[in-house]
Amino acid sequence: DTGVSQDPRHKITKRGQNVTFRCDPISEHNRLYWYRQTLGQGPEFLTYFQNEAQLEKSRLLSDRFSAERPKGSFSTLEIQRTEQGDSAMYLCASSLGGTGGEKLFFGSGTQLSVL
Amino acid sequence: GEDVEQSLFLSVREGDSSVINCTYTDSSSTYLYWYKQEPGAGLQLLTYIFSNMDMKQDQRLTVLLNKKDKHLSLRIADTQTGDSAIYFCAESGSGAGSYQLTFGKGTKLSVIP
Repeated sequence: DTGVSQDPRHKITKRGQNVTFRCDPISEHNRLYWYRQTLGQGPEFLTYFQNEAQLEKSRLLSDRFSAERPKGSFSTLEIQRTEQGDSAMYLCASSLGGTGGEKLFFGSGTQLSVL
Repeated sequence: GEDVEQSLFLSVREGDSSVINCTYTDSSSTYLYWYKQEPGAGLQLLTYIFSNMDMKQDQRLTVLLNKKDKHLSLRIADTQTGDSAIYFCAESGSGAGSYQLTFGKGTKLSVIP
């Protein structure tokens, strides 16, 4: 399978705990994105990497959230001191930057439930 | 700020055509996209259109863009039960913000056998 891979698929945690999600993009894609999707809503942009550089962070991304993409390959998204409002599907996407529009390829997401 | 709106539900009979509509507010959008999401899955890019085009056809899919009214539609010909899913319209910004997509809330398409 050469698509975008996310791990884990589901995560249940207690409020106040830290969680970390992993995303493996399509290998030749230099751009990587994190989006968050809550029930009945479309995905909302969180952050964007070009290679290893984090170029943009949404104001939705509080100080409790941190994302990394060491060596420009896989990425991790960590949420510290989780809150019930963090419960959502966290989607990773990748694209091959260039002209012709951003064709994002999404992973299946990590469903986070904070109890 | 940018906003993308879609009707929430659409129900059609198998074999009929489906038309899903979307309006957006950002007149500087360079590309507009249609994504499909099946239950428990991520989003699959169906098709996209550049803002200087008014129509794009790809097999059973036809995208119409009315840039003056900021209206986008997706027509699915000969709708099948496998087309049942949530369809998202999305726009990208221009220039430095073109990588960031703004999505609508999605239209849930139900296909009746």
